Amino acid sequence: DQQVKQNSPSLSVQEGRISILNCDYTNSMFDYFLWYKKYPAEGPTFLISISSIKDKNEDGRFTVFLNKSAKHLSLHIVPSQPGDSAVYFCAASALGGTASKLTFGTGTRLQVTL
Amino acid sequence: DGGITQSPKYLFRKEGQNVTLSCEQNLNHDAMYWYRQDPGQGLRLIYYSQIVNDFQKGDIAEGYSVSREKKESFPLTVTSAQKNPTAFYLCASSIYRGDYGYTFGSGTRLTVV
Repeated sequence: DQQVKQNSPSLSVQEGRISILNCDYTNSMFDYFLWYKKYPAEGPTFLISISSIKDKNEDGRFTVFLNKSAKHLSLHIVPSQPGDSAVYFCAASALGGTASKLTFGTGTRLQVTL
Repeated sequence: DGGITQSPKYLFRKEGQNVTLSCEQNLNHDAMYWYRQDPGQGLRLIYYSQIVNDFQKGDIAEGYSVSREKKESFPLTVTSAQKNPTAFYLCASSIYRGDYGYTFGSGTRLTVV
């Protein structure tokens, strides 16, 4: 049972344009969401997060939007740069649990073209 | 510099052999995790540990074993019972009950030959 879903396995965007990566979740207990970026043969690196008490969090070119009623979050990258080409994982946690255990989505591969 | 170190980066194993992947962190994090990544799939949790001498099975623990004798170390043994061990293995750590994301190691690619 996939509790965190990224339905688009890949996305191609031109340099300078906006990249929008989507993520859906099913578990109502999730209250903290994160995006990680992963290059091949490397570990994921933390990108940006959002708590369920907010609907938007911005950090430079990266903005995450959360729609709790739709159980949907999205990551916007503006403007997209070639170095943004990577796999992006959405992750969620329920902080009321006994460990900071994250549930990851399957990832979306972003390709930023020149 | 604080961080999390996985070794080796590449590992080859013959069928029927057990192999142990190393994971060490100097971040003073209480919780540690092992994930597996397969092509076209997300990260799947194998085992996690909240404190020393305690660990819990994740979603795909069959064929794996772990130990947590020291706070800094969380080795993963891939046993011969694991039917499809070829994968990219990631170790991570986090502050216990914190609201922070994980710090990941750079991973170990295991290939069964």
